[in-house]
Amino acid sequence: DARVTQTPRHKVTEMGQEVTMRCQPILGHNTVFWYRQTMMQGLELLAYFRNRAPLDDSGMPKDRFSAEMPDATLATLKIQPSEPRDSAVYFCASGPPGGYGYTFGSGTRLTVV
Amino acid sequence: AQTVTQSQPEMSVQEAETVTLSCTYDTSESDYYLFWYKQPPSRQMILVIRQEAYKQQNATENRFSVNFQKAAKSFSLKISDSQLGDAAMYFCARSRATGNKLTFGGGTRVLVKP
Repeated sequence: DARVTQTPRHKVTEMGQEVTMRCQPILGHNTVFWYRQTMMQGLELLAYFRNRAPLDDSGMPKDRFSAEMPDATLATLKIQPSEPRDSAVYFCASGPPGGYGYTFGSGTRLTVV
Repeated sequence: AQTVTQSQPEMSVQEAETVTLSCTYDTSESDYYLFWYKQPPSRQMILVIRQEAYKQQNATENRFSVNFQKAAKSFSLKISDSQLGDAAMYFCARSRATGNKLTFGGGTRVLVKP
């Protein structure tokens, strides 16, 4: 089965450090999402791309978060500087052209201490 | 804001029995898509079932079926013949159109008793 690959699976970092999370969408999928999951807020959309162009990043704190798609096989989410409140599971998901229902990666569990 | 509401934080079911999870949503659109995702302890988000709002027929996937009531903006999930492997968090979600972002409900935890 095709899968969305996220790395790293776990990350523990100190406050103030830069964190980069990576996502390899399913080959041929042209829509990529970044979601954050916390106990308090549930699943929140941070950003999403179609054909590598950002469509909506209104859910992302702009001062410290950035999301990019350097090419069709890689999406990145960067936090600089990281803060304890950024501790969460970050999911990447991708979807095919004209399709609906997306495939999620296994997530990156981020802990900022 | 377009919201999705799951009013049951937790549901318990006996193995082999049936459980129904409720979901309501808010929308002003006539065409949209609805989903149920399962998240087991492994945290992987797994698509269980999906429904196009323009289709009147309720979607079914093996032991999973939905009751879609468009006028009531309700989209419940029925799990029949519950199995231990069904124990997980279940999230209802909605998107406005194909390729559009998903808005999730708060989730319902399903416990399956042997």
